Amino acid sequence: DTEVTQTPKHLVMGMTNKKSLKCEQHMGHRAMYWYKQKAKKPPELMFVYSYEKLSINESVPSRFSPECPNSSLLNLHLHALQPEDSALYLCASSQERQQETQYFGPGTRLLVL
Amino acid sequence: GEDVEQSLFLSVREGDSSVINCTYTDSSSTYLYWYKQEPGAGLQLLTYIFSNMDMKQDQRLTVLLNKKDKHLSLRIADTQTGDSAIYFCAERANAGGTSYGKLTFGQGTILTVHP
Repeated sequence: DTEVTQTPKHLVMGMTNKKSLKCEQHMGHRAMYWYKQKAKKPPELMFVYSYEKLSINESVPSRFSPECPNSSLLNLHLHALQPEDSALYLCASSQERQQETQYFGPGTRLLVL
Repeated sequence: GEDVEQSLFLSVREGDSSVINCTYTDSSSTYLYWYKQEPGAGLQLLTYIFSNMDMKQDQRLTVLLNKKDKHLSLRIADTQTGDSAIYFCAERANAGGTSYGKLTFGQGTILTVHP
């Protein structure tokens, strides 16, 4: 099983709202990733967690706050977003950060009004 | 730094073969990947090749790697309308440094298959 699940599938939020995106995998992977993808563009890495610790932050604005409560779950907390943050947010996982293939979830399509 | 380039569009007839090309710059890449993305969906891993291999075949998919020219290609035999999607080539950063484990994606090739 190589499944990564993400909820919700779609999210519409105002610029003053607080919301969270959720990602889950049960493959025993110890590395999890958040990517942002704009239409017809490749995914851009935002954060990497390795063994539940944040190991890479690609200079992401603080209005995005990741959290890894356990080895299967990854959250992305959103607060005071801007319309330009509207995008597809993809979660991925791999067995380790340093090796193995990344498997992606279906994404959450976010619209900020 | 790493850079991955792909042609943006490819149009083929159903039943023909499709060849999607990719060039990369990081000569120390260890793995190179092909992902498929259908409209509104996430990225689906199609196949990958380790840098010490020249070729990998998996059913209708053939990956060729020319390490000297840093050129990767994906051939899809007997292309079907369901193969219409965006195809991303990606390389994994080499060992060491803060980019260890990071994927660098190409811009994606939009494959359109005509009946």
